[in-house]
Amino acid sequence: AQSVSQHNHHVILSEAASLELGCNYSYGGTVNLFWYVQYPGQHLQLLLKYFSGDPLVKGIKGFEAEFIKSKFSFNLRKPSVQWSDTAEYFCAVNAADKLIFGTGTRLQVFP
Amino acid sequence: EAQVTQNPRYLITVTGKKLTVTCSQNMNHEYMSWYRQDPGLGLRQIYYSMNVEVTDKGDVPEGYKVSRKEKRNFPLILESPSPNQTSLYFCASSLSRGYNEQFFGPGTRLTVL
Repeated sequence: AQSVSQHNHHVILSEAASLELGCNYSYGGTVNLFWYVQYPGQHLQLLLKYFSGDPLVKGIKGFEAEFIKSKFSFNLRKPSVQWSDTAEYFCAVNAADKLIFGTGTRLQVFP
Repeated sequence: EAQVTQNPRYLITVTGKKLTVTCSQNMNHEYMSWYRQDPGLGLRQIYYSMNVEVTDKGDVPEGYKVSRKEKRNFPLILESPSPNQTSLYFCASSLSRGYNEQFFGPGTRLTVL
């Protein structure tokens, strides 16, 4: 069965620190990959997506992610986080008509 | 404004009392879906619909029903709610199937006593 793993459940950083959130998936076929963000009390919003082409994709608010097919990974990065990045981040994989989410990573950024 | 709306946003009910959470989108999307979000479990798909009159089970369909009589609406029905259905529910839609970006509604926080 398809699954998505996010290894970091809770990440605490100071402002200006670099961020990398891990995401691995299990599915042997073609996938589309997403990172969604959920700010406190709000609904999910798309940060970035990968369908094909350049495996390094750039999203909103300075986020980027790299698709490494051989490692079944799609890690999210940001060089310098801000307090406003405090949120929960979800990796998702679209496979066989279903969007499968990871369990999420809660990011807290302190000034 | 393109959006997915859900009502109600908050609901407290008692075990066994039938309820419906409505979901509507104004983007002419074919694909609609319901998820529940629980701490530590992320989002899990309850039901999805690829078009009018076409619905299918997701990962956690037990205790829920859906219908898709019109393209824009996709209500979630709990015939006999139980406390384990206390959760945060999100409706989402996308242009077609599941391969496009999904747009999420604001969520419905349901408490079943």
